[in-house]
Amino acid sequence: DTEVTQTPKHLVMGMTNKKSLKCEQHMGHRAMYWYKQKAKKPPELMFVYSYEKLSINESVPSRFSPECPNSSLLNLHLHALQPEDSALYLCASSRSIPSDTQYFGPGTRLTVL
Amino acid sequence: EDKVVQSPLSLVVHEGDTVTLNCSYEVTNFRSLLWYKQEKKAPTFLFMLTSSGIEKKSGRLSSILDKKELFSILNITATQTGDSAVYLCAVGSGAGSYQLTFGKGTKLSVIP
Repeated sequence: DTEVTQTPKHLVMGMTNKKSLKCEQHMGHRAMYWYKQKAKKPPELMFVYSYEKLSINESVPSRFSPECPNSSLLNLHLHALQPEDSALYLCASSRSIPSDTQYFGPGTRLTVL
Repeated sequence: EDKVVQSPLSLVVHEGDTVTLNCSYEVTNFRSLLWYKQEKKAPTFLFMLTSSGIEKKSGRLSSILDKKELFSILNITATQTGDSAVYLCAVGSGAGSYQLTFGKGTKLSVIP
């Protein structure tokens, strides 16, 4: 199984809503990542978890809150987002850090109204 | 600040043509260079290169790294319409910490 799955595929939310994005992998990878990708731009790193501990937070606003309940799951909790947060949110995993070969999930297309 | 520059930014070719995509970088403590293909959604891993001069091949795609001149090329021979995508180059760097820097990508369009 070389797949990273993400749910939901699409999400539309208002600025006062609370929602969560989910990511799952069963490759035994111990590093997981959240990226944000705006249209026609490369992915931008948001968070890195290594062995279920947050190791990097790239100055992301607190309205984004990551959670890693176990080694296979990664969540991104969203609260009080802004329209400019609309983007494709990609989850990735790799064997460990610093193993650079990351496998990406299909992404969640988020629209904030 | 780490930099990854890809060229060209976009390219239109006919089916059957051969293309070469370029990626140059300036980073501290280089670890690896990766190529990804991105169609409508998630980037798909193509190659990871860590050593100079060793070509990696997968079907019609191949890539090589030059650590002295700080660049890599991705070649696609006998292009097909299914090769149309954005090709992303990313460089892993940093000693004891994690950093993966993406280039802006090359948009390849293959027309019949």
